[in-house]
Amino acid sequence: AQSVTQPDIHITVSEGASLELRCNYSYGATPYLFWYVQSPGQGLQLLLKYFSGDTLVQGIKGFEAEFKRSQSSFNLRKPSVHWSDAAEYFCAVGRYTGGFKTIFGAGTRLFVKA
Amino acid sequence: EAQVTQNPRYLITVTGKKLTVTCSQNMNHEYMSWYRQDPGLGLRQIYYSMNVEVTDKGDVPEGYKVSRKEKRNFPLILESPSPNQTSLYFCASRALAVDTGELFFGEGSRLTVL
Repeated sequence: AQSVTQPDIHITVSEGASLELRCNYSYGATPYLFWYVQSPGQGLQLLLKYFSGDTLVQGIKGFEAEFKRSQSSFNLRKPSVHWSDAAEYFCAVGRYTGGFKTIFGAGTRLFVKA
Repeated sequence: EAQVTQNPRYLITVTGKKLTVTCSQNMNHEYMSWYRQDPGLGLRQIYYSMNVEVTDKGDVPEGYKVSRKEKRNFPLILESPSPNQTSLYFCASRALAVDTGELFFGEGSRLTVL
């Protein structure tokens, strides 16, 4: 069965430090890959997505992610974290099975310390 | 402004008392879906709809009903709520005509069943 794993339940980084959130997926073909962010009290917002082409994708708010087929990974990165980045981040995989279905990981909560 | 609107945002109810969570989108999206978010489990799909009068079960449909009589609305109905349905619920929508897979989310409805 297809699955999405986010190994880190929560991560704490200092403001200004770099960030990497891990995501691994299990899927037979090249999937559609997404990162969403959920700020406190808000719904989820798309940060970036990968369908095909360049494996390094740029998103909003200075985030980027790299698709590595050999590792079945799609890790999210940001070179310098701001306090406003504190949120929960969800990796998701999309696939067509008669319709397009999105499967979400369990999420990683990011804490930013001053 | 393009948005998905859910109501109520917060609700406390008692076991067995029927309730409806409304969802409305103003983007003319064909696809709408309900998710529940629980700690450590990420988002799990309850029901989805590909268009008016077309609905289908997601991964955790037990105890829920939906209807899609109009394109913009997709209410979630709990006929006889139970404490295990205490959760944070999200409605989401997506365009199918130009489908990038991006989901647009409401702000969530936090439901407590006593």
